[in-house]
Amino acid sequence: AQSVTQLGSHVSVSEGALVLLRCNYSSSVPPYLFWYVQYPNQGLQLLLKYTSAATLVKGINGFEAEFKKSETSFHLTKPSAHMSDAAEYFCAVSNDYKLSFGAGTTVTVRA
Amino acid sequence: KAGVTQTPRYLIKTRGQQVTLSCSPISGHRSVSWYQQTPGQGLQFLFEYFSETQRNKGNFPGRFSGRQFSNSRSEMNVSTLELGDSALYLCASSSNRGNYGYTFGSGTRLTVV
Repeated sequence: AQSVTQLGSHVSVSEGALVLLRCNYSSSVPPYLFWYVQYPNQGLQLLLKYTSAATLVKGINGFEAEFKKSETSFHLTKPSAHMSDAAEYFCAVSNDYKLSFGAGTTVTVRA
Repeated sequence: KAGVTQTPRYLIKTRGQQVTLSCSPISGHRSVSWYQQTPGQGLQFLFEYFSETQRNKGNFPGRFSGRQFSNSRSEMNVSTLELGDSALYLCASSSNRGNYGYTFGSGTRLTVV
């Protein structure tokens, strides 16, 4: 079964600093991978998706992720954190008509 | 284009009661799936429907059921509610297999007392 693992349940960054959220996947076939963001009391918003077209994927709000098959990773980055980036982030893999999510990483941004 | 609409947003029920949640997908999307989100278990898949057929089901007891109508709207039902059913229930829609992304609704917050 395909699955993802997010390393680090909580990340704290200073405003303007690099945001790096880690996700590793387990899959025997080329995976379809996603990053979602969730703000308090809201649903999930799609940040970006990997569908094998390109290994470096650009998403919304300045986020991007790089698919590395050799490392089975799909880490999410943003060069400069904003206060509005404070939220919970989920990595997910799609197969069998469902998404399997990681445990999530909560990002706090310090002024 | 309207997004995924879930109703109601908030719900309080008593143990032993049953509840029905509703989801209207994005126009043209025929796949609707449901997820339960709790602090302890995270995001867990409940079931997925496409053209009124359930294509996949998660590991939940039979008290959790769902259906999809011919207009792609979906409902999920939980019978004999337990305290542990308190959660945020999220609905997502996609065009087909979902490999190109799912769009989520804002969720229904269910509290069982």
